[in-house]
Amino acid sequence: SAVISQKPSRDICQRGTSLTIQCQVDSQVTMMFWYRQQPGQSLTLIATANQGSEATYESGFVIDKFPISRPNLTFSTLTVSNMSPEDSSIYLCSVVIGAYTGELFFGEGSRLTVL
Amino acid sequence: GQQVMQIPQYQHVQEGEDFTTYCNSSTTLSNIQWYKQRPGGHPVFLIQLVKSGEVKKQKRLTFQFGEAKKNSSLHITATQTTDVGTYFCAGKGAQKLVFGQGTRLTINP
Repeated sequence: SAVISQKPSRDICQRGTSLTIQCQVDSQVTMMFWYRQQPGQSLTLIATANQGSEATYESGFVIDKFPISRPNLTFSTLTVSNMSPEDSSIYLCSVVIGAYTGELFFGEGSRLTVL
Repeated sequence: GQQVMQIPQYQHVQEGEDFTTYCNSSTTLSNIQWYKQRPGGHPVFLIQLVKSGEVKKQKRLTFQFGEAKKNSSLHITATQTTDVGTYFCAGKGAQKLVFGQGTRLTINP
């Protein structure tokens, strides 16, 4: 298993501003993922954070809007840029422990409300 | 692209009744995972099924993977109030893990 700490746990932001979410894992992991969960909805993968290289983004998500850093094997950040009310969501960091099993561990999430 | 459909979207039961959620994929899956998300919480892994026709049990929960590896189900026997939450399936295709829409279970004590 893994312990994943996400900060902030929640925030209220103004339209047009940017917010950076941090994800810290208690062990070194190869694969880290960022998901978005809109209210009452399922989980949508934003991107895979790769250590030492640029993140891999899913269709519909772009680096300018969601820049990601992955400076080492235990830490990643996701920035939500130029926010609008449509960005109000829970953002979840997740990791795979042991590439073979594929089981995802999730952080507690960062609940963003954009006014 | 790969799609994973989950039904029903909502289910309300009396405590003690059984509950089942179904998951169907548009493509053959290499494996399927199930997660539970309590209200206000984050998704927590329950189980992974890999083999065609596989059935696994965890206490009152029974998970099945279809013979064609395109569908799966989660059945809870005699629900308890602690079972409240949203249950997600997540199907792994050729490359990606795709989550279903989830089934939100509420229980009347």
